[in-house]
Amino acid sequence: DGGITQSPKYLFRKEGQNVTLSCEQNLNHDAMYWYRQDPGQGLRLIYYSQIVNDFQKGDIAEGYSVSREKKESFPLTVTSAQKNPTAFYLCASSIGGLDNEQFFGPGTRLTVL
Amino acid sequence: GQNIDQPTEMTATEGAIVQINCTYQTSGFNGLFWYQQHAGEAPTFLSYNVLDGLEEKGRFSSFLSRSKGYSYLLLKELQMKDSASYLCAVMGATNKLIFGTGTLLAVQP
Repeated sequence: DGGITQSPKYLFRKEGQNVTLSCEQNLNHDAMYWYRQDPGQGLRLIYYSQIVNDFQKGDIAEGYSVSREKKESFPLTVTSAQKNPTAFYLCASSIGGLDNEQFFGPGTRLTVL
Repeated sequence: GQNIDQPTEMTATEGAIVQINCTYQTSGFNGLFWYQQHAGEAPTFLSYNVLDGLEEKGRFSSFLSRSKGYSYLLLKELQMKDSASYLCAVMGATNKLIFGTGTLLAVQP
């Protein structure tokens, strides 16, 4: 089946540790995105990538880093510089272009203790 | 600035019709999306509007008025499984979706 996978579903880390969230898609999509979702707020864009080996900062990129070495993979690292890392993180992908829907992965709920 | 407004919560009765409104002010407009999101799960695509008018897809319809910066999602014959958050999102001038905070719909028996 084609789709987007994120792992793990739940992740716990101690404050001050970096953590990497995985996102893999087998939809052959060019574009991939990372969002953060907090209670009472809309999804906020962290980073996005339109093509392999290229990515751009979204609206809240501080404290995060990404890589796009393969078309299928777009891992997100939450660094210790991120002040409030506890959140629900959603990865998405799309064919690209302005009128194409984004397909979302199941999300990773990160809790920093 | 860029802003998308939708009601925080709504309640409706099983079998009824509900309309969820969304107003937007964005830099550029390249379409409006509606997504459904059940608690703790991924958003799933419902509809896309780029031209004015009504798009119907089964029990769900979506309307757009670009001149008014306004859209609504219409859900007919409500079922209990329709209880979820409904997210309005606008594709602005760049290839980035701008999301509203979502409307939490509770369907009651």
